[in-house]
Amino acid sequence: DAKTTQPTSMDCAEGRAANLPCNHSTISGNEYVYWYRQIHSQGPQYIIHGLKNNETNEMASLIITEDRKSSTLILPHATLRDTAVYYCIVRVGTGGGGADGLTFGKGTHLIIQP
Amino acid sequence: DAGVTQSPTHLIKTRGQQVTLRCSPKSGHDTVSWYQQALGQGPQFIFQYYEEEERQRGNFPDRFSGHQFPNYSSELNVNALLLGDSALYLCASSPLAGLTDTQYFGPGTRLTVL
Repeated sequence: DAKTTQPTSMDCAEGRAANLPCNHSTISGNEYVYWYRQIHSQGPQYIIHGLKNNETNEMASLIITEDRKSSTLILPHATLRDTAVYYCIVRVGTGGGGADGLTFGKGTHLIIQP
Repeated sequence: DAGVTQSPTHLIKTRGQQVTLRCSPKSGHDTVSWYQQALGQGPQFIFQYYEEEERQRGNFPDRFSGHQFPNYSSELNVNALLLGDSALYLCASSPLAGLTDTQYFGPGTRLTVL
């Protein structure tokens, strides 16, 4: 079973920031938080990942709470093309020793409204 | 830099037949993972290949088998096809070495079993 809990669906107005929450209360100290998204019938697209510090890249920002039990993915200026299913996944970092397959839950269906 | 590629794009088979799906990893990646995604569900991990060997397997029967070649490309074979094998089959590649092995997905192969 997935180790994360996400809302089933969310709406956001185009041009506004989309904030997608994820609960991972049983996360271990060596587990990273990963975010992927999947646009209809395409392969999942990697967005961002982090361990305990907040992270930002060209696609999004990841805010992880101090106790690491929850996180928020932020799309700063949502566009219609950001409509997709967003998956929050926790997994062990490899440390050079390899890592396991990803365990996907049902994700959050984000709908950007014009 | 080419990303992960998969072939064929679509495939139609009948029950009892066998199918082979192919995947070429992203340049610089040596680990390939396969996932099955049924309609309306998140991807489910099938297995992962590294150094031409299966290193981890999800909860899938022996009808699902794979192979990795010296150039790191991979095949997924499914024998004795069932109607329930109809799904989007996704391949993901990642570099094994390093602190975290972010997996990058291909576009998938849509398999329909009639």
